[in-house]
This record gives sequence, structure tokens and C-alpha cells, in this order.
Amino acid sequence: DAKTTQPPSMDCAEGRAANLPCNHSTISGNEYVYWYRQIHSQGPQYIIHGLKNNETNEMASLIITEDRKSSTLILPHATLRDTAVYYCIVNNAGNMLTFGGGTRLMVKP
Amino acid sequence: DAGVIQSPRHEVTEMGQEVTLRCKPISGHDYLFWYRQTMMRGLELLIYFNNNVPIDDSGMPEDRFSAKMPNASFSTLKIQPSEPRDSAVYFCASRYSGGWTEAFFGQGTRLTVV
Repeated sequence: DAKTTQPPSMDCAEGRAANLPCNHSTISGNEYVYWYRQIHSQGPQYIIHGLKNNETNEMASLIITEDRKSSTLILPHATLRDTAVYYCIVNNAGNMLTFGGGTRLMVKP
Repeated sequence: DAGVIQSPRHEVTEMGQEVTLRCKPISGHDYLFWYRQTMMRGLELLIYFNNNVPIDDSGMPEDRFSAKMPNASFSTLKIQPSEPRDSAVYFCASRYSGGWTEAFFGQGTRLTVV
């Protein structure tokens, strides 16, 4: 699986958009980009995934660059409940998800 | 569905004792995963099953760890004998392979070995 690089921590003001970057410069053609998050003391929770095109669901948007070497997860209106560790994972099958260090997002009032 | 159910939620045991962690996947899911999370090493995949068969156990740290899936609705992760360095939160996750679906995680078992 391709390795990902994420900033260790970020802050965001409540109500503002949170933009979480992820670099995956060694991604191969059949690998998807997945985002999960882990709220304190809970199991990880799926957010969104994509291959090439930008994706949006009720939780977030995923923007993947044209060369697919990086992506950004966007939480359009962050709330205090969005405070969590966000993991960017690159994988070709959805199995054997390998979690890196993630980004610790702190949403502040 | 109640989601992935793990038991116990918390376990405190003495070094050298056998520990068994339990997991009930979501009904109909054919993949089951065991993860371990520590501050030092983060989330590590230990082993995963497909249709009750172990597919990859390369993440199992040593022979003291074993996992079984006797049927589609139950899996165990056993540590024998347990050591203080096994203290961690152990997560079970399951997934359905028909089409693309996400992995659903349980609430975890917090294991403390003293």
C-alpha cells in the first residue's frame, strides 16, 4: 500500500471549514483514497473514499488532485463533535487498512 | 443491526494469565479484522479473516497471540500468557465484500495486564 503523509495536528474554528491535507505521492493506479476518523475512546469510523473524482457525502467532501498524489478532506462546517483523529489511507481493496499517525483535529469554539 | 459487538469492554488481568477477547461481526459481513492500538504504535492490523478463514496473520506479534473464527458470527483473540506490554485497546472490525463497503469497527476492548 502507498504511504501517506499527514500533518500531526490542526485547529479549526467552530462553524468554519476544516481542510485536512494528505500526501500520497506513491499511489498506484488502482488504489483508492479512504478517510476514517477516530473520536476519543471509540473505534474508527468511515468518512468517505474516492479514486479519481471528487466525492461528497453527508459528512464531508474529498478533493483529489489530478495527478492523484495528494488529497484534501473538507468538513464544510466543523462542529465541536468533529474533534477527532483523521486518518488518510491508500489501499486497493478496502481490506488490510493500514493506519498511519493521522491528523489530530481540534475544533475550537 | 447493533453493529460490531466486542466483549468485554474492559479487562484487567495479571501477567501470565490467559486472556480471551470476543467479537461478534455485523450479520452478513464476510471479512473480520482484529486491530491493536497503543500510544506508541498507533493502530496495527493483527489478523484478518474472510469467510471464517484466516487470510493474513503477519501482524500477530508473536506465538502468544492466536485468533479463531469458528463461525460467521463469532471470533476470538487469545493471548496466552499475557504480558504487561500487551496492554492496549483491541478493536474488531467487519466488512461486507459485495461491492464496495466500508469497515465497521466495534467499541474496542481495553486490556490492562498488571
